[in-house]
Amino acid sequence: EAGVTQSPTHLIKTRGQQATLRCSPISGHTSVYWYQQALGLGLQFLLWYDEGEERNRGNFPPRFSGRQFPNYSSELNVNALELEDSALYLCASRMTGSHNEQFFGPGTRLTVL
Amino acid sequence: AQSVAQPEDQVNVAEGNPLTVKCTYSVSGNPYLFWYVQYPNRGLQFLLKYITGDNLVKGSYGFEAEFNKSQTSFHLKKPSALVSDSALYFCAVRALGGSSNTGKLIFGQGTTLQVKP
Repeated sequence: EAGVTQSPTHLIKTRGQQATLRCSPISGHTSVYWYQQALGLGLQFLLWYDEGEERNRGNFPPRFSGRQFPNYSSELNVNALELEDSALYLCASRMTGSHNEQFFGPGTRLTVL
Repeated sequence: AQSVAQPEDQVNVAEGNPLTVKCTYSVSGNPYLFWYVQYPNRGLQFLLKYITGDNLVKGSYGFEAEFNKSQTSFHLKKPSALVSDSALYFCAVRALGGSSNTGKLIFGQGTTLQVKP
């Protein structure tokens, strides 16, 4: 069974640009979560999508947005990039059911210059 | 407010010795507790979870964790550490019930485990 996949592995942008990160969940998983792992800040919850709908978002500005497609894959968009957006962005998927754990992808390393 | 604390930034143990990585939590409602491990430049790998039932939970790679409701703790343990266990370990909680059912995981700050030969 394939795990959660993310693309690209690395992304380098300059301040003010936009970044698009992609995530494909494990087959059969309908929930997708996005987390930011920035140096010194730990793992912070960004967004939760389930069945194509945004269910919850963390304490991030509106320039962080995303969507979930009918095949349950997801995109994270970051507009007007700032230097402090440099981080590892992790996507996780989970099968429906409150007992189920989240499985994480390898992440996308975003560097903003 | 819901939170998870890992009081130790780093834990050092000798190979073959038992290890403990500490975690305490604060949530409203029943907690679902998880441990994940992260190797350098990698995503998080699921180790084990506590949902309900037996307070001692067994997981991957010989790890186990003990849920203690009165102390609101969920410490990760392994009877005999391996050098290959050296990594960053995260404790996480997912609270359920009422408005707390956000689906998200709340993570501790992480504990670096260093196992020396």
